[in-house]
Amino acid sequence: AQKITQTQPGMFVQEKEAVTLDCTYDTSDPSYGLFWYKQPSSGEMIFLIYQGSYDQQNATEGRYSLNFQKARKSANLVISASQLGDSAMYFCAMRGITGGYQKVTFGTGTKLQVIP
Amino acid sequence: NAGVTQTPKFQVLKTGQSMTLQCAQDMNHEYMSWYRQDPGMGLRLIHYSVGAGITDQGEVPNGYNVSRSTTEDFPLRLLSAAPSQTSVYFCASSPHPIAGGPYNEQFFGPGTRLTVL
Repeated sequence: AQKITQTQPGMFVQEKEAVTLDCTYDTSDPSYGLFWYKQPSSGEMIFLIYQGSYDQQNATEGRYSLNFQKARKSANLVISASQLGDSAMYFCAMRGITGGYQKVTFGTGTKLQVIP
Repeated sequence: NAGVTQTPKFQVLKTGQSMTLQCAQDMNHEYMSWYRQDPGMGLRLIHYSVGAGITDQGEVPNGYNVSRSTTEDFPLRLLSAAPSQTSVYFCASSPHPIAGGPYNEQFFGPGTRLTVL
């Protein structure tokens, strides 16, 4: 079975500080992709960053980086220099294919609030 | 490109009514999917399609039907609405993922907020 766990229902961070959002996963698939999405209060889902299970280097996209530790099955999102616009829900997700069957699993999300 | 579009944005139904949520994409993506989002539960996969004429069930398919007659459109049908189907529904599309990756990010529509009374 495929499972994503986000243990931080809510977090606060001071503006301009860095913050780490935790994500652990469980899967028996040999190949999978890990994603982070941002959902602001307006409701849309915005793709932030992707990490493939065979990628040797941690993914980075601007102020976002993914701290991928395969042995520990963790894929934490690091946001550097937080901005007020970063206040939103953040979802970790995993995608894989087993026996031709597509599996996609989302975590329950972390609500991040950036304090001025 | 309009990306992924969904209609309607809001809908209120009575128990037992049927309706279709529309989803369209103009990116020529093979893969399309439907999710529901409930408070505290993240997004859960309802149905997905890997191309025209091919659909499969996700995690929570009961009470929903889908079909894929064209690459662009992937409607979701509620056959007999129940209060438990009150949720926000998202449609998403991406290029077809290949086992072994890369697993491309999915592009999401704006969502449909459905209330069943």
